[in-house]
Amino acid sequence: QSALTQFASVSGSPGQSITISCTGTSSDVGTYNLVSWYQQHPGKAPKLMIYEVNKRPSGVSNRFSGSKSGNTASLTISGLQAEDEADYYCCSYAGSSPRVFGGGTKLTVL
Amino acid sequence: QVQLEESGPGLVKPSETLSLTCTVSGGSVSSGSYYWSWIRQPPGKGLEWIGYIYYSGSTNYNPSLKSRVTISVDTSKNQISLKLSSVTAADTAVYYCARGSVDGDYDDLWGQGTLVTVSS
Repeated sequence: QSALTQFASVSGSPGQSITISCTGTSSDVGTYNLVSWYQQHPGKAPKLMIYEVNKRPSGVSNRFSGSKSGNTASLTISGLQAEDEADYYCCSYAGSSPRVFGGGTKLTVL
Repeated sequence: QVQLEESGPGLVKPSETLSLTCTVSGGSVSSGSYYWSWIRQPPGKGLEWIGYIYYSGSTNYNPSLKSRVTISVDTSKNQISLKLSSVTAADTAVYYCARGSVDGDYDDLWGQGTLVTVSS
């Protein structure tokens, strides 16, 4: 069960859009539309931002959107705000080894 | 609203068993709509899924931890428990419990986490 691959860091200026990618395999991201994304601020618990590839929980800003193509899922944040600075983790259902997380991407708002 | 709170010893000796409890308030662990997960995060590192349990008692574990992990549910106390045996320093982490929806595979509610340090 290998972790999903995420770039370690990404940055953007306020108002810009950024995309965080998450690459898996045909055993997880590529087969199941069960990719979720979590936001984690320092010292805090993770918060669900996207589930089932592109669905937003109630209360999550529509500036957050998700998509998937092949073995790669993506989280896009538009209209970047200072409060978006956090770590972001992707997660996918993986069948017989049910759950796998990405290594995390640190978002810096310049 | 539903809240989750982890509790247990903050310090465990190497080779011993780590035991944590997650108390659910404002809701029931017996709800057929949810499962209950344990996830951990070593200091400065990423998230690692440990396993989850359904209200029925059915479990699923991370293959890399399966031989050492037991997750159970106590409906009378509305609690979920985690036991991790034969711990080493590599098991030092913040341990989170979380609620997941059986309709999908995601955790929509998390506890605040509890730090467990493995050291003699």
